[in-house]
Amino acid sequence: AQKVTQAQTEISVVEKEDVTLDCVYETRDTTYYLFWYKQPPSGELVFLIRRNSFDEQNEISGRYSWNFQKSTSSFNFTITASQVVDSAVYFCAPVSGGYQKVTFGTGTKLQVIP
Amino acid sequence: EAGVAQSPRYKIIEKRQSVAFWCNPISGHATLYWYQQILGQGPKLLIQFQNNGVVDDSQLPKDRFSAERLKGVDSTLKIQPAKLEDSAVYLCASSVEGVANEKLFFGSGTQLSVL
Repeated sequence: AQKVTQAQTEISVVEKEDVTLDCVYETRDTTYYLFWYKQPPSGELVFLIRRNSFDEQNEISGRYSWNFQKSTSSFNFTITASQVVDSAVYFCAPVSGGYQKVTFGTGTKLQVIP
Repeated sequence: EAGVAQSPRYKIIEKRQSVAFWCNPISGHATLYWYQQILGQGPKLLIQFQNNGVVDDSQLPKDRFSAERLKGVDSTLKIQPAKLEDSAVYLCASSVEGVANEKLFFGSGTQLSVL
């Protein structure tokens, strides 16, 4: 059985602070992909980043960076110098198997206070 | 490039009534998904189409929910009869081929309130 956990329900930070969103994905699959999606108040989910299970190299893209540790099944996403526009619900969404069966976590609501 | 189109944006009905939602995916996308998102939860997959065939409908309450994608393009999701617990946002998404490493493109959703 596969299980995705986003333990943080809500996070509040002050603008310009860094914030890290946690995700743990437990699976027996050796090959899988990990996605993060953002859902702003408007409601439309937007793709942010994607990693595969066989690449643990950490990456940075603009203000976003992510840290994947296969040994602990954790896939954490960091926003540097947060902005008010980053206020949204963030979903971790792992994908296992050959076809695209996406399982969404429960989401972390981020509020960035001006 | 046009995104995923959904209509209506909002719908209010009484329990036991019927309702239908429409989705037009991004042109050329073979895979179409319907998700149900209850307030405060993550989206839950209801049904996944590959062209006009069903790939996964294991979580679709088939006694009241039905969906079709007859020509492999747009799709309709129907609820008949609706229950109070069906109140949710219904999201449509599409992807090019439906393989594991592809991102999904989402529509704005239809917010359903069942009274």
